[in-house]
Parts: sequence; structure tokens; C-alpha cells
Amino acid sequence: DAKTTQPTSMDCAEGRAANLPCNHSTISGNEYVYWYRQIHSQGPQYIIHGLKNNETNEMASLIITEDRKSSTLILPHATLRDTAVYYCIVRVAARGSNYKLTFGKGTLLTVNP
Amino acid sequence: EAGVTQFPSHSVIEKGQTVTLRCDPISGHDNLYWYRRVMGKEIKFLLHFVKESKQDESGMPNNRFLAERTGGTYSTLKVQPAELEDSGVYFCASSRGLVTEAFFGQGTRLTVV
Repeated sequence: DAKTTQPTSMDCAEGRAANLPCNHSTISGNEYVYWYRQIHSQGPQYIIHGLKNNETNEMASLIITEDRKSSTLILPHATLRDTAVYYCIVRVAARGSNYKLTFGKGTLLTVNP
Repeated sequence: EAGVTQFPSHSVIEKGQTVTLRCDPISGHDNLYWYRRVMGKEIKFLLHFVKESKQDESGMPNNRFLAERTGGTYSTLKVQPAELEDSGVYFCASSRGLVTEAFFGQGTRLTVV
């Protein structure tokens, strides 16, 4: 699976949009971009994933550049409960492939009041 | 719908003892994964079941770890004999299929003293 690069930490004001970048310049054509987060010591929580089109769900939006070498996770209105470590993961998702998630160090997002 | 359930939530055992962790995946999820995070390290993949079959166990640290998923429902992860370096949080996750998201349990915190 392709390697990802994320900033170590970011701050965001409560109520503002949080934009978390991820670089995955070696991504392959059959690799998806997944975002998970871990709040304190809880289990990782799925946020969103995409292949090449932008995606949106009730939690966040995922913007993937046209060349797929980078992406941005957007939390439109960050709350204090969004303080967590956010992981950007690329993974092949095809029959017969390995479905494991490779977690890096992630980005610690701190939402401030 | 019930989420992924792990038992126990905490376990403290002495070096050399045996511990068995249990994971109940979401009903209908054929894919079951075990991950762990040891102190100060990243979350690492251990193994992947598809129904009752081990699809990938490349992340299992050594032969003191034994995972089973009899009948393709719940899974157990046995550590025998436990060593100090086995301390950490063990997460279980399940997913329905290929590109679908994996849902994580709250983890079992294992402390070997």
C-alpha cells in the first residue's frame, strides 16, 4: 500500500472548518483513500473513503486532487468532540487483495473553544 | 445494530500466564481483523479472517499468539505464554466486504506484569 504523509498536529477553532491534508504521491490506480480517527483511547472510527471523486457524508467531506496524489478531509463545523488523531490511509480494495489498514502516526487535531 | 464487541475491556496478567481475548463482530460481517497498539507505537495489523479462514496472518508477532474464528462468528486471540512486551491495546474490527468500511471495537487493554 502507498505511503501517506500528514502533518503531526493542527489546531482549529470551534465552529470553524477543519481542513486536514494528506499526501499520497505514490498512490496506485486501484487504491482508495480512507480516513479514520481515534478519539483518546477509543477504537478507531471510520470517517469516509473515496477513490477519485469527492465524497461527502454526515461527518465530513473528502476532496481528492485530480492527479490523486493528495487529499483533504474537511470537517465543516468542528466541535470540541472532534479533537482526535486523524489517520489518512490508502488501501487496495479488490478481491484477493489484502484488506488490512496500515496506520501511520496521523494528525492530532485539537479543536479549541 | 450492535457494534463490534470486545471482552474483556481490561486484563492484567502475570508474565507466563495465558490470556484469551474475544471479539464479536457485527452480524453478517465476513471479514474480521485483529490489530494492536503497543505503548508509544502505531496501530499495527495482526491478522485477517474471511469467515472462518485466515486470509492473512502476516502481522502475528510470533507463535505465542493464536487466533481462531470457529464457525465464522466470534473470534478469540490467545496469548500463551504472555510476555511483558505483549502489553498494549488489542483492537478487533469487522467489515462486510471489499471496499466497505471496517468498524472497530473499543479494544482490550492488556497489561502483562
